[in-house]
Amino acid sequence: EAEVAQSPRYKITEKSQAVAFWCDPISGHATLYWYRQILGQGPELLVQFQDESVVDDSQLPKDRFSAERLKGVDSTLKIQPAELGDSAMYLCASSSGTDTQYFGPGTRLTVL
Amino acid sequence: GENVEQHPSTLSVQEGDSAVIKCTYSDSASNYFPWYKQELGKRPQLIIDIRSNVGEKKDQRIAVTLNKTAKHFSLHITETQPEDSAVYFCAAKPGGTSYGKLTFGQGTILTVHP
Repeated sequence: EAEVAQSPRYKITEKSQAVAFWCDPISGHATLYWYRQILGQGPELLVQFQDESVVDDSQLPKDRFSAERLKGVDSTLKIQPAELGDSAMYLCASSSGTDTQYFGPGTRLTVL
Repeated sequence: GENVEQHPSTLSVQEGDSAVIKCTYSDSASNYFPWYKQELGKRPQLIIDIRSNVGEKKDQRIAVTLNKTAKHFSLHITETQPEDSAVYFCAAKPGGTSYGKLTFGQGTILTVHP
């Protein structure tokens, strides 16, 4: 069964450093989502791509976060500079054009 | 925007009992309601979903009911087993396509005691 892949699984960094996360969606899925999940809370959408275009980035802190999906397949989420409050699980999900979203295993970020 | 409230935040049951988790939503445009199960350190897994043209859906020990008039939906797990222990999230979204934001509830920690 195809799954969404993410790397790294864990990342520890110091504040003010740059970090990047990678996501490979299920093959053929045109829609890709990045979520942030703070411990004890539900996931919150950061950015949504349809192919290579951003369709919703209203909750993305654009002063420090950026996301790209250059060829409409895999995607990278970057934080620069990282802050203590960015410590969270970053989840990627993909969809084939229907409602159902499939999640990756996430990247657990710890900012020291 | 959409607001999803989920209750209870924690739920403890004995093996074999039933568990019910309830969610309310605010946006009448929402018509897709999935439930995800997330075990510690693992990805959220879709366990069941329902669309607004259906009042109830069942899959073995899991069922979801939807009251669109009252804007609430519930997850029912019967004959609970220890492996059902996890965090459960409800969500709501304007349905029909992949467009539209999926808004999650805060989660319910379910513990099933053997």
